[in-house]
Amino acid sequence: EAQVTQNPRYLITVTGKKLTVTCSQNMNHEYMSWYRQDPGLGLRQIYYSMNVEVTDKGDVPEGYKVSRKEKRNFPLILESPSPNQTSLYFCASSMGTSGRMGTQYFGPGTRLLVL
Amino acid sequence: KQEVTQIPAALSVPEGENLVLNCSFTDSAIYNLQWFRQDPGKGLTSLLLIQSSQREQTSGRLNASLDKSSGRSTLYIAASQPGDSATYLCAVHGSSNTGKLIFGQGTTLQVKP
Repeated sequence: EAQVTQNPRYLITVTGKKLTVTCSQNMNHEYMSWYRQDPGLGLRQIYYSMNVEVTDKGDVPEGYKVSRKEKRNFPLILESPSPNQTSLYFCASSMGTSGRMGTQYFGPGTRLLVL
Repeated sequence: KQEVTQIPAALSVPEGENLVLNCSFTDSAIYNLQWFRQDPGKGLTSLLLIQSSQREQTSGRLNASLDKSSGRSTLYIAASQPGDSATYLCAVHGSSNTGKLIFGQGTTLQVKP
């Protein structure tokens, strides 16, 4: 089954404790992206990757890191989480080359609470 | 900077009605526009994707139109059903060779039996 998976689905952590949220897709998609969704602010893009070893900032990259060492995986790293990073996070992937993206496939989401 | 707006924020209709959801964007230089559905606590599901060269796309009871020059897209839902109740989001992919996707804040639809 074609899908985007995220782990963990729920996470409670404390300020400053590094964490990684994994994202994996099995559709051989070039493009992958991370979003956060907050009430009243909607979905905002954090980082995206056009292909392996190619990443770029979205609209809200502060406090986050990403890497794309393999085509199927695109982990989101919070080096020192803070309470304002409490949010619902989504990973997405699509076919696409040279910035020409197609239909976006979303993961189920990771709900993060930073105390 | 591209901005995407969806009005109204919420809509309630009786079952069987035809309805239109609106999406407007400020920069007409787009590559494509997508409509998504999101159920509470769930991820997004792509409904329709319209390329900038297209005027409309259809899937079942759904029809999406695109007017780049006026910066508008509509999602038409025919013969609405309670199962259509969800939040509908539109997202714009700009044409400046980037991977940026800008979302509207969504319209939450309730279809009453």
